[in-house]
Amino acid sequence: QKEVEQNSGPLSVPEGAIASLNCTYSDRGSQSFFWYRQYSGKSPELIMSIYSNGDKEDGRFTAQLNKASQYVSLLIRDSQPSDSATYLCAVNGYNQGGKLIFGQGTELSVKP
Amino acid sequence: DGGITQSPKYLFRKEGQNVTLSCEQNLNHDAMYWYRQDPGQGLRLIYYSQIVNDFQKGDIAEGYSVSREKKESFPLTVTSAQKNPTAFYLCASNRQGTTEAFFGQGTRLTVV
Repeated sequence: QKEVEQNSGPLSVPEGAIASLNCTYSDRGSQSFFWYRQYSGKSPELIMSIYSNGDKEDGRFTAQLNKASQYVSLLIRDSQPSDSATYLCAVNGYNQGGKLIFGQGTELSVKP
Repeated sequence: DGGITQSPKYLFRKEGQNVTLSCEQNLNHDAMYWYRQDPGQGLRLIYYSQIVNDFQKGDIAEGYSVSREKKESFPLTVTSAQKNPTAFYLCASNRQGTTEAFFGQGTRLTVV
C-alpha cells in the first residue's frame, strides 16, 4: 500500500462546478497535510495546509481533514479553466521533521 | 525578492558524466530538500539537510550526492552511478520547526 494515495484522474468538471479531490494516507500519526498545485512543466505551489480535523477555507478552496478515517480532501468551488492543473497531496508523518510524502497527483481539467 | 533559485532550468548530460544542480535560497530557511519527479508521478525525496554541514539520505539517494557548506546553498550532484537520471529535479526549503515547504522552479535533466 502506498503511503499517500490519490486518484490520478483526469478529473473533468465544467466551469463553475465544484471539483472534489481526495487523498488517503497510511501513517496514522501524520500531523501536517498540504495541497500543492502544479501546472504542466512548472514546480509545485502550496495552496492549502491543514493540521486539525475539520474544514479550512481560503477563498474558493476548502481543505477537509478526517484523521480517524485517514483522508484529506480539497474542494474547489466555482472552478475556472485556470484551475486546470495537477494537484498533489503531501503529508508530514509522525516524527519526520520537515519531510513530506507526496501522492502521485490528480490531474484536474476544467472545461469552459 | 526572497525565494528559492534553481539553475540551470534545463540541463543535458551525456551518459557517464556527473552534473551538479544548483539550489540557492535567501529566505533564511534552515532545512532544504531535493526531490525527483518522473512523468505522471509524485515527488520522491533524494536528500535533505536540516542544518549546515549535515544532511541525510532520503528514499532514493543512490547515485546522488549533496553538500551543505552554507545555509543558503544545497547543491545536488547526479553521478554516473544514477541509472535513470532523466527527470525533473525540485529543491525545497522550510523554516526550522515548520513543515510548509516552498519550491524552486526546478531543473529538467535529460541524458542524451
